[in-house]
Amino acid sequence: KAGVTQTPRYLIKTRGQQVTLSCSPISGHRSVSWYQQTPGQGLQFLFEYFSETQRNKGNFPGRFSGRQFSNSRSEMNVSTLELGDSALYLCASNFEGGNGYTFGSGTRLTVV
Amino acid sequence: LAKTTQPISMDSYEGQEVNITCSHNNIATNDYITWYQQFPSQGPRFIIQGYKTKVTNEVASLFIPADRKSSTLSLPRVSLSDTAVYYCLVVFSSGSARQLTFGSGTQLTVLP
Repeated sequence: KAGVTQTPRYLIKTRGQQVTLSCSPISGHRSVSWYQQTPGQGLQFLFEYFSETQRNKGNFPGRFSGRQFSNSRSEMNVSTLELGDSALYLCASNFEGGNGYTFGSGTRLTVV
Repeated sequence: LAKTTQPISMDSYEGQEVNITCSHNNIATNDYITWYQQFPSQGPRFIIQGYKTKVTNEVASLFIPADRKSSTLSLPRVSLSDTAVYYCLVVFSSGSARQLTFGSGTQLTVLP
């Protein structure tokens, strides 16, 4: 059974650009959530999608957005990148009522 | 104020039992408390999940008191390969909004 797949694994962008990250959940999982991990702030919740609808949202500016498709795959977009957006972005999927979230290996974003 | 508190670090010797506590006031009444393990350059990996009292699986136990203001992850007979960062994940709710909140993480170092 394939795990959660995130692409790309690594990304370097310039300040002011935008970026789109992709997440393919485990087959059958309809919930997808996104997290930002930095050394200073730890793991912070960005948003959660279920059946193509954003169900919950963390405390991030509007530059951070996401969406979920009918096949449960999800994308996260960050516009007008700032140096402080450099982080590991993690995606996790969950089968409602199941045990916890399964995480992907993340996308390491570096903004220069 | 939604806040979780974990010890920053802990040291242990191989074969010992390790207990890591996460304090979390006012978490959502209907959500699970979940613990994750993370190695460098990897996404968090699910360890155990519980709602109240005690839960045990093949790798850990989780103790949750009746007031659910804390939870304790217990790792029996740790080995060198258990050296990792351990996170609790809880849910704070405000109205219909749910905030999935990770603790700051506990770096466990297992010594020979």
